[in-house]
Amino acid sequence: GAVVSQHPSWVICKSGTSVKIECRSLDFQATTMFWYRQFPKQSLMLMATSNEGSKATYEQGVEKDKFLINHASLTLSTLTVTSAHPEDSSFYICSAREQGYNGYTFGSGTRLTVV
Amino acid sequence: AQSVTQLGSHVSVSEGALVLLRCNYSSSVPPYLFWYVQYPNQGLQLLLKYTSAATLVKGINGFEAEFKKSETSFHLTKPSAHMSDAAEYFCAVSVGRDDKIIFGKGTRLHILP
Repeated sequence: GAVVSQHPSWVICKSGTSVKIECRSLDFQATTMFWYRQFPKQSLMLMATSNEGSKATYEQGVEKDKFLINHASLTLSTLTVTSAHPEDSSFYICSAREQGYNGYTFGSGTRLTVV
Repeated sequence: AQSVTQLGSHVSVSEGALVLLRCNYSSSVPPYLFWYVQYPNQGLQLLLKYTSAATLVKGINGFEAEFKKSETSFHLTKPSAHMSDAAEYFCAVSVGRDDKIIFGKGTRLHILP
């Protein structure tokens, strides 16, 4: 089946630094990728939708200058948390969809801790 | 806009008992509906999905869900709970093959020995 690899699985960074999270579709071409954020004991909140080769579409309330999303190829999307602060600490999950397939494959998530 | 409501943030059942997790949806067009399971610090695993075919959908690990348009519901059931079923369960909706997926708040399932 379709597999999405997300790295790193966890990261600790200092306040003010930037962190990049990668999401790769291993055996299919992901024309669309989604980035979610999940706070402890809460649901997944959609942050943005990215289509290969175009700018990401951000959900209301998500700072696009803080959460930079790049989807430069059909198998790779990255989320960069810029100038991270402790309130950015969260679990980030990506999801990828193959064109024409009404299913979504999720990565294993990245636990970000900003100290 | 579409949305899902999961009734009960926590559900406890005894091992071997029926599991019933409730989900109601809101959508102005025929929806696609999903149930996902999440174990601690992991991503999401698809249990099953409804895509306008059969209203009774069978998924993995013995789970199934029934789409009831008249009740706008998509409840998840399993005849006999197992300890390994303890996890967080999310109901989700999208309104088309190319649309984003929106999640409910989740229900944590506890299995009592």
